[in-house]
Amino acid sequence: SQQGEEDPQALSIQEGENATMNCSYKTSINNLQWYRQNSGRGLVHLILIRSNEREKHSGRLRVTLDTSKKSSSLLITASRAADTASYFCATDAIIQGAQKLVFGQGTRLTINP
Amino acid sequence: KAGVTQTPRYLIKTRGQQVTLSCSPISGHRSVSWYQQTPGQGLQFLFEYFSETQRNKGNFPGRFSGRQFSNSRSEMNVSTLELGDSALYLCASSPSGTPDTQYFGPGTRLTVL
Repeated sequence: SQQGEEDPQALSIQEGENATMNCSYKTSINNLQWYRQNSGRGLVHLILIRSNEREKHSGRLRVTLDTSKKSSSLLITASRAADTASYFCATDAIIQGAQKLVFGQGTRLTINP
Repeated sequence: KAGVTQTPRYLIKTRGQQVTLSCSPISGHRSVSWYQQTPGQGLQFLFEYFSETQRNKGNFPGRFSGRQFSNSRSEMNVSTLELGDSALYLCASSPSGTPDTQYFGPGTRLTVL
């Protein structure tokens, strides 16, 4: 089963609206990261939030982390066509005795002009 | 600094062949991780190398192998290719490895016929 799972799987909104994506995970974490991937390309790191932080901002991005609910959300404000991409959360997890970065299945975001 | 580079960008092979993919990390980064991305399975961790040693390994068969050279460049090899190996193979580098921020290359799109 996935350590991190995003919700919704797909989201389509109008340009200028806000987009919110959620990520849930199963085990304790040290940090949680969000990445963006444009179609068929490599991932780009957006933001890292540590387990002792509750909220973090970067430009039009706002990330929250609720360790009691094992969940995080990514808010993109005033969306633009260029924000169209897939967004992944990634959590560190101890698997078979080794620390690994586990990615969720992603949320596909479409911004309509 | 130059970003992570991967060669080749596209590759077409037939079943039973073997393939070698190359990754050059960001200068100064000692960790290189490899991921396989498919529509059905999402992003799956293959292995991580740090200072020429394999530090972590995902749940892939022994047909998937890798190595890292003294200049931190890494290669990934897949032997006896199967149709299911068709995927986008992503390489990521970081200064100290998992679970820190990963810097991804553009990927190699492998198609197995």
